[in-house]
This record gives sequence, structure tokens and C-alpha cells, in this order.
Amino acid sequence: NAGVTQTPKFQVLKTGQSMTLQCAQDMNHNSMYWYRQDPGMGLRLIYYSASEGTTDKGEVPNGYNVSRLNKREFSLRLESAAPSQTSVYFCASSETGNDQPQHFGDGTRLSIL
Amino acid sequence: AQTVTQSQPEMSVQEAETVTLSCTYDTSESDYYLFWYKQPPSRQMILVIRQEAYKQQNATENRFSVNFQKAAKSFSLKISDSQLGDAAMYFCAYRSAPFFMRFGAGTRLTVKP
Repeated sequence: NAGVTQTPKFQVLKTGQSMTLQCAQDMNHNSMYWYRQDPGMGLRLIYYSASEGTTDKGEVPNGYNVSRLNKREFSLRLESAAPSQTSVYFCASSETGNDQPQHFGDGTRLSIL
Repeated sequence: AQTVTQSQPEMSVQEAETVTLSCTYDTSESDYYLFWYKQPPSRQMILVIRQEAYKQQNATENRFSVNFQKAAKSFSLKISDSQLGDAAMYFCAYRSAPFFMRFGAGTRLTVKP
């Protein structure tokens, strides 16, 4: 059972380049999320999608866009990458409800030079 | 805004001994959920244990248990009979509003053989 799959696992970009991070889940979850993880700061929510067809901003949305392509897939796009966006990015999914844990992918390590 | 604080950046424990990781949070909500996640070097985020705020009884999952003190807004994780495979980053997380989960900065646990 794959769970949440993220591609790519590693990527190096130059400042100003664009990039799309892909995420797919096979658990039939309604909700999906994108987080970034920086040293000493834990995970911070970038965008989320409560259900297919909806997306909303999280805590740190600036510089990012998202697309909920269908129930399975939720992509994160950096239109013009900046060094401040160097981070590890996690996609997660969950059933609807505050008590439902989020299931995470393995993360994408993104470096922007 | 709710905040989650993990005051111990690093902890170490001898194999087979017990260790407690601290977490405090700030909220005005009465109904919420708390989670502990483990992140081994593989980077995967793994749910360890979950606590519902309206339940008095502390959650337990095998060697993992929590000490939930609602009045003190404290949610510590106790690991008994520590094993080498317990070495990881541990994140405390809080969730009251739909889709928003706030994470602490993490505690790195080292297990000494």
C-alpha cells in the first residue's frame, strides 16, 4: 500500500526557475496538505485542500500555488524560486475531521541556489 | 494563534530505560486534539499517539504513553523500554480548527546502546 507518494525526492533549482512538486494518495482521503519543514521550526502549512475542487491558504502561502487535480492528486508550484524556499516539503492527506491524523509522504528536499 | 512549544531540542536515553519528551501548547479552545509524530532519519512522518482533549484518560500505545494535563496545557510523551529504533525527531502537534495542524519545533532523541 503506497499511501502518500511525492515526486521528486530531491531537486536543485536556480533562483528564478519554476518547479512543480507532485503528490498523490491512494487512501481515498478528502483532504490534502502541503507543508514545509525548516530547521528549528517544525512543519508549517503552506496550502491545503479540504476536498476535491477547493484549496485554501495556510500559514506560509506566499510564493506558492497549488492545484487539486482530482481527489488523488495535489500539486505545489513554485513560479519563481527563491533561496528562502530552500526546504523539505511534505505532502499529507487525511479523512475529514479534527480527530483524523494526517498521513505523510516521504518529503522532497528542495535546494535553490 | 495557537502555539506549540517543545522546550527540549535534544534528549538522550540509555537503551531499555524510560524517557519523557515535553510539549506545551497555548490555546483558548476547549475541544482539540493532540498528536505525537516520529520522524526517523528516513524523513518519514509516523503517527505515534493521539489524545482527545475531552478525554481524561491518557492515551497509550504499547511502549508509548502520554501525560496529558489539560489545565496546565501540557502533553508529554513517555517512551518506556527505549529501543535503538526509537531514535528520531519527535514532533508534538495540536489541532482544533479543521485542516490546521500546528507543530512544535521538535525534539531529537538519541538512544545509547
